[in-house]
Amino acid sequence: NAGVTQTPKFQVLKTGQSMTLQCAQDMNHEYMSWYRQDPGMGLRLIHYSVGAGITDQGEVPNGYNVSRSTTEDFPLRLLSAAPSQTSVYFCASYNGAKNIQYFGAGTRLSVL
Amino acid sequence: GQQLNQSPQSMFIQEGEDVSMNCTSSSIFNTWLWYKQDPGEGPVLLIALYKAGELTSNGRLTAQFGITRKDSFLNISASIPSDVGIYFCAGQAYSGAGSYQLTFGKGTKLSVIP
Repeated sequence: NAGVTQTPKFQVLKTGQSMTLQCAQDMNHEYMSWYRQDPGMGLRLIHYSVGAGITDQGEVPNGYNVSRSTTEDFPLRLLSAAPSQTSVYFCASYNGAKNIQYFGAGTRLSVL
Repeated sequence: GQQLNQSPQSMFIQEGEDVSMNCTSSSIFNTWLWYKQDPGEGPVLLIALYKAGELTSNGRLTAQFGITRKDSFLNISASIPSDVGIYFCAGQAYSGAGSYQLTFGKGTKLSVIP
């Protein structure tokens, strides 16, 4: 997980609250992405970015917003948290030369 | 969308035994990746496969990229207790406009009995 830093590691929210999950990478990778992991579902792509100023939707984007103002940072925002968003969230950064994605340690979110 | 079928979902094996798991897809991938996830951690890359037919080893781990580009397997030889975890396959396909979508299998949970 070297090079991809996620904060916080744990978070509990009440329904309707908003929050931002932070992700930063120091490898100068252009491509970054956010996944959620639920039991029995594997990892599913929420949003991704191919570079600063460019973002796009993944498989499960509803309820989440992203922005990419710098190459290093790719925050994920929950505007109005719902219990269905209880999950473990992973940020990933892509090494184009090796065609490999590297993951952060994850943020465990519970929405009550 | 693309789907990956990973099997088995879980395995209980004795220490020292060999392990095999595989993934199949309805679509072609350019790259196959195998990750391991320990409890409370993010997935860590074990092996990356880039060409159809490629067979790659990493210590006791061996993985192959299927000839059809729609499947891959991972073998672990002489399992040890620290092999416990969830193993994920992932297929990567170029989807245009500079994006590289990664599709994950649902994971194989490995338990090793000492």
